[in-house]
Amino acid sequence: DTEVTQTPKHLVMGMTNKKSLKCEQHMGHRAMYWYKQKAKKPPELMFVYSYEKLSINESVPSRFSPECPNSSLLNLHLHALQPEDSALYLCASSQDPDRTSGPYEQYFGPGTRLTVT
Amino acid sequence: GESVGLHLPTLSVQEGDNSIINCAYSNSASDYFIWYKQESGKGPQFIIDIRSNMDKRQGQRVTVLLNKTVKHLSLQIAATQPGDSAVYFCAETPLNHGNNRLAFGKGNQVVVIP
Repeated sequence: DTEVTQTPKHLVMGMTNKKSLKCEQHMGHRAMYWYKQKAKKPPELMFVYSYEKLSINESVPSRFSPECPNSSLLNLHLHALQPEDSALYLCASSQDPDRTSGPYEQYFGPGTRLTVT
Repeated sequence: GESVGLHLPTLSVQEGDNSIINCAYSNSASDYFIWYKQESGKGPQFIIDIRSNMDKRQGQRVTVLLNKTVKHLSLQIAATQPGDSAVYFCAETPLNHGNNRLAFGKGNQVVVIP
């Protein structure tokens, strides 16, 4: 199984709502990532989890709160978002967080298309 | 908000012809490079990778060339098919950076003309 799944596929939320994005992989990967992608732009890294611990936060506003409950799951909790936060949110995973045995590619999920109204 | 009139560099190619997509990178410490394909409404899909100790790597219908001297990466697609229409991103990472932090290039749109 080389698949990263994300739910929901689409999400529309108001600025006062609280919602969560979910990501799951069963490849035994120990690094998981959240990216944000605006139209016609490359993905921008938001967070990295390595062995279920947050290792990188790319100065993301606190209205985005990541969580890694176990090695297969990654959540992104959303609260008080702004319309400019509307984007495609991508989850990815990779085999070796520390790259001790060589670089490994990141596998991406299909993304959640988020619209903030 | 979004920039009005923002366009990706676009390569239009006739079906059956070969495509070449180029990417310049700036970090001389980068030693691992990946090409991703992203179709409309989907996440990026891994195509091929190459380490800095190589200058060429071939996959099925795709070849990646790396020129470290001028920090240039290219992706060649042989016998381009309609299913190859997508945005293609190069990505790089330095070996000593840890955590597989990828830096993505701007992206190139490929449009295959049947």
